[in-house]
Amino acid sequence: QVQLVESGGGVVQPGRSLRLSCAASGFTFNTYAVHWVRQAPGKGLEWVALISNDGRNIYYADSVKGRFTISRDNFKNTLYLQMNSLKPDDTAVYYCARQTAMATFFDSWGQGTLVTVSS
Amino acid sequence: EIVMTQSPATLSVSPGERVTLSCRASQSVRNNLAWYQQKPGQTPRLLIYDASSRATGTSVRFSGSGSGTEFTLTISSLQSEDFAVYYCQQYNDWPPWTFGQGTKVEIK
Repeated sequence: QVQLVESGGGVVQPGRSLRLSCAASGFTFNTYAVHWVRQAPGKGLEWVALISNDGRNIYYADSVKGRFTISRDNFKNTLYLQMNSLKPDDTAVYYCARQTAMATFFDSWGQGTLVTVSS
Repeated sequence: EIVMTQSPATLSVSPGERVTLSCRASQSVRNNLAWYQQKPGQTPRLLIYDASSRATGTSVRFSGSGSGTEFTLTISSLQSEDFAVYYCQQYNDWPPWTFGQGTKVEIK
């Protein structure tokens, strides 16, 4: 079955960097676009970034543009999120989510990885 | 950016009751709307897409309706496993993909 497993979260000081990973299995990874979506503690869902199946099309939320970089390795079936210049407002559970083949909603989500930005 | 607004923020309901959740878009999203369910400590799960199509595994208790700017998620007879937070999401005009703030369905 479809599995998305995030890793790389942790506690980091403001201004520092962190890289998240999302390992995909159970489907043909290189045929699907994938997103990062985050959820601050006790809050709702916020879309962060998208990368197309071939990595050619990338979009970011304004709140992370210029600081975060989404990438993927289709040979390793892995999605990444490089997060630089982290702010306390970036504290959240980060989910990777698969976009469906037919439209841009999300049909599978990982379990999430918690990023805490605090001094 | 399309703003999605859900109401109410919290709904207190007894098991067996019929529940109606609302989602409004700041401009038309046609029928490009999804609903997700998130139980405490769990990951979001797709329930409804294209405003009214049930995702695989979604109980027939759940139905979606609406188009344009007004949408509704109805749970015909609330079961104990349905207590959760429900989010709507538009995918008509992106980026960004935008979610409502969520409606929490809690036990009365």
